[in-house]
Amino acid sequence: SQKIEQNSEALNIQEGKTATLTCNYTNYSPAYLQWYRQDPGRGPVFLLLIRENEKEKRKERLKVTFDTTLKQSLFHITASQPADSATYLCALGNSGNTPLVFGKGTRLSVIA
Amino acid sequence: NAGVTQTPKFQVLKTGQSMTLQCAQDMNHEYMSWYRQDPGMGLRLIHYSVGAGITDQGEVPNGYNVSRSTTEDFPLRLLSAAPSQTSVYFCASSYSSSGSQDFTDTQYFGPGTRLTVL
Repeated sequence: SQKIEQNSEALNIQEGKTATLTCNYTNYSPAYLQWYRQDPGRGPVFLLLIRENEKEKRKERLKVTFDTTLKQSLFHITASQPADSATYLCALGNSGNTPLVFGKGTRLSVIA
Repeated sequence: NAGVTQTPKFQVLKTGQSMTLQCAQDMNHEYMSWYRQDPGMGLRLIHYSVGAGITDQGEVPNGYNVSRSTTEDFPLRLLSAAPSQTSVYFCASSYSSSGSQDFTDTQYFGPGTRLTVL
């Protein structure tokens, strides 16, 4: 069955450093991958989408890579700030009537 | 636009009671989904709909019913609540700009309903 793993449940880093979150998957060939941010008590909010034919995508301080050979996506936040503290979810999708499949998330804490 | 709205925000039920969680969106999105989120389990899909009159089961459909009579509304019904259904429930909607049946586009989530079943 499909399996998505996000590297750790929790990640603590110092302010100003680059946070790197990992999303690995097995038994799946996604057409695209999405990253979401979720704050406590709120619904997830979309951040970035990267397609299988794209190696890298950037948005402000965010960078996502997608390696379909390694079956892995890396999500980077550069110059991290305490306001970046949240849970980050990766989700895989395919074309057609196939819903997204979500990972369990990684809780990032940026310490001032 | 209000986006995706969910009511109620909080609900406490006794085992065996039934209730409906409401979800509405004003973005004219074709696709709507219901997820539950439990600690350590992530988001799990309950039911989804690709358009009015069409619904399908997700990963954990047992104990839940849905219907989609309009594009805007996608209610989730708990037929006979059980303690195992204690969870946070999220409704989401998305729109395929290509016009094809494709979940590629961003999912917009509601604020969630926190349900406790005693």
